[in-house]
Amino acid sequence: EVQLVETGGGLIQPGGSLRLSCAASGFIVSSNYISWVRQAPGKGLEWVSVIYRGGSTYYADSVKGRFSISRDISKNTLYLQMNSLRVEDTAVYYCATTRPEDPGGFDYWGQGTLITVCS
Amino acid sequence: EIVLTQSPDFQSVTPKEKVTITCRASQSIGTSLHWYQQRPDQSPKLLIKYASQSISGVPSRFSGSGSGTDFTLTINSLEAEDAAAYYCHQSSSFPWTFGQGTKVEIK
Repeated sequence: EVQLVETGGGLIQPGGSLRLSCAASGFIVSSNYISWVRQAPGKGLEWVSVIYRGGSTYYADSVKGRFSISRDISKNTLYLQMNSLRVEDTAVYYCATTRPEDPGGFDYWGQGTLITVCS
Repeated sequence: EIVLTQSPDFQSVTPKEKVTITCRASQSIGTSLHWYQQRPDQSPKLLIKYASQSISGVPSRFSGSGSGTDFTLTINSLEAEDAAAYYCHQSSSFPWTFGQGTKVEIK
């Protein structure tokens, strides 16, 4: 069974840094693309970043240059390093991925971890 | 950036009614369009991928259609458990984007 478990959320001051983790089980994180998607309180979904099987990475304009996605295959874990955090980065952050055998969209989602940026 | 515009933003519907949600892309995205359901306090769930491909385990009352810039999610015979927010998502080009969401309420 595929599971994604995000950790690392919390309260942080503007300008601070935080690293989120997404521990995967039931599949290998490098088997296909895996993404971060966020949702501000009471708002819609916003795609943040993706890392592909081959290691290519892409980012939303709103986080480019501040956030960095990576993975550790030995730990089967995805990361999101977030620097220069802003109040508008406050959101629940989900990791999400697709079925390796039939990719398309996000078949699997974690439960999310909340980041609150405020002074 | 490709902007996805959903309509309506909100819909109040009686059980067994048919629901139609549209998603319009600011430029052609082929069929690289996916639909999700998010119930309150839950993570999103994939309903339809590539505009019209069904997902195993999703009830057959959910269907999708469209290509290019205009897409539709249809819920035939709405059930109480379908009260949720619905989002479209394009994976045609970066940055990937989501529609603003459509909230479906049960009367």
